[in-house]
Amino acid sequence: GESVGLHLPTLSVQEGDNSIINCAYSNSASDYFIWYKQESGKGPQFIIDIRSNMDKRQGQRVTVLLNKTVKHLSLQIAATQPGDSAVYFCAENSLSGTYKYIFGTGTRLKVLA
Amino acid sequence: GAGVSQSPSNKVTEKGKDVELRCDPISGHTALYWYRQSLGQGLEFLIYFQGNSAPDKSGLPSDRFSAERTGGSVSTLTIQRTQQEDSAVYLCASSLKSIHTEAFFGQGTRLTVV
Repeated sequence: GESVGLHLPTLSVQEGDNSIINCAYSNSASDYFIWYKQESGKGPQFIIDIRSNMDKRQGQRVTVLLNKTVKHLSLQIAATQPGDSAVYFCAENSLSGTYKYIFGTGTRLKVLA
Repeated sequence: GAGVSQSPSNKVTEKGKDVELRCDPISGHTALYWYRQSLGQGLEFLIYFQGNSAPDKSGLPSDRFSAERTGGSVSTLTIQRTQQEDSAVYLCASSLKSIHTEAFFGQGTRLTVV
């Protein structure tokens, strides 16, 4: 099956600093993207989404940037807190595809006190 | 319940046995997904159900894996003749429609094949 099951890269950030997590997506026809947060022992939890007709969307302490030219997505977390420590996944979805969500590799965020 | 419910939360089975994993999606959600997550890795797509349409089974790794969704609601993922490499967390998600909406995940079933 489709999988991005690779060794997870890790981002270590000092508490209070901003974090930037990047994701390269695969399908140029994808038109909807989600960032998920997964804490240990739990299922992925929705953070923020963005449609392909936008290049930026802001939520509470989080911002998602979309660059369709290079098929790149980023998640910015402002004033990172210990509770932000988790694995972050991007997911893509396509109107022209088979509608399944394809997940990125995942990045482990470690917040240092 | 308010969220996606999966049972059991943990399952230990002997190699060669069959297992059934259950998913109760959020009421009214027409789309249902199964994913597999091996330790420390990403999410591997297994199967997708949307309403009464034929499921997308393209992610099932072998013919030992099958899934059903009865009445457009509850889904069961069955693994026959389990192997040690089947050990993983099996995640179910549902969404209100198939596209442009977030998928809500359950807590997963941790399957250990010994």
